[in-house]
Amino acid sequence: DIQMTQSPSFLSASVGDRVTITCRASQGINLYLAWYQQRPGKVPQVLISTASTLQSGVPSRFSGSGSGTDFTLTISSLQTEDVATYYCQKMSGPFGGGTKVEIK
Amino acid sequence: EVQLLESGGGLVEPGGSLRLSCAASKFPLNNAWMNWVRQAPGKGLEWIGRIRSKADGGTVDYATPVKGRFNISRDDSKNTLYLQLNSLEIEDTAVYYCTTFSFGGGWGQGTLVTVSS
Repeated sequence: DIQMTQSPSFLSASVGDRVTITCRASQGINLYLAWYQQRPGKVPQVLISTASTLQSGVPSRFSGSGSGTDFTLTISSLQTEDVATYYCQKMSGPFGGGTKVEIK
Repeated sequence: EVQLLESGGGLVEPGGSLRLSCAASKFPLNNAWMNWVRQAPGKGLEWIGRIRSKADGGTVDYATPVKGRFNISRDDSKNTLYLQLNSLEIEDTAVYYCTTFSFGGGWGQGTLVTVSS
């Protein structure tokens, strides 16, 4: 079975900081990688699919990159409303363990 | 805009069964690949399985922890996806979501399954 490993599991940064979350697949998954944001008590929202395609309505400060086994979610300038847990997922497959993002 | 609405959750004893439904609207379910995902209280997201569209074979893949206990099916004539939960364990307590990447993608609001004696 494919396994998805995210790092870090927790991240504290200041408003305006550039934030990077990484996701590694145990075997190659081409571009079949999605990123989600889940605010406390809310349904997860897809931010990015196929590794780098920004979903409609998602702010442009979010971006995704990578292919094969190594992927990255970047928030170019962290905002207070970005406080959430972020998950990667092999599309129609397993999720990473999540990264909780807080404001310092 | 994809709309998904889960139902059928509730309280069930260990060893029991439950069938969840996911009503789809605003898109042609028959052309969509559909997933079930769950989230236990205070835990991360866990993919349960995926059913392909009938045109792509209608086959199902399951995550290892639920293989043999859970069954995903679809009735495209009713625009409804199903998840049959059997031999339920306390560890199956979670909010269950139906999701899709098709037609712009979307998630339902989820339905809570509580397994307890």
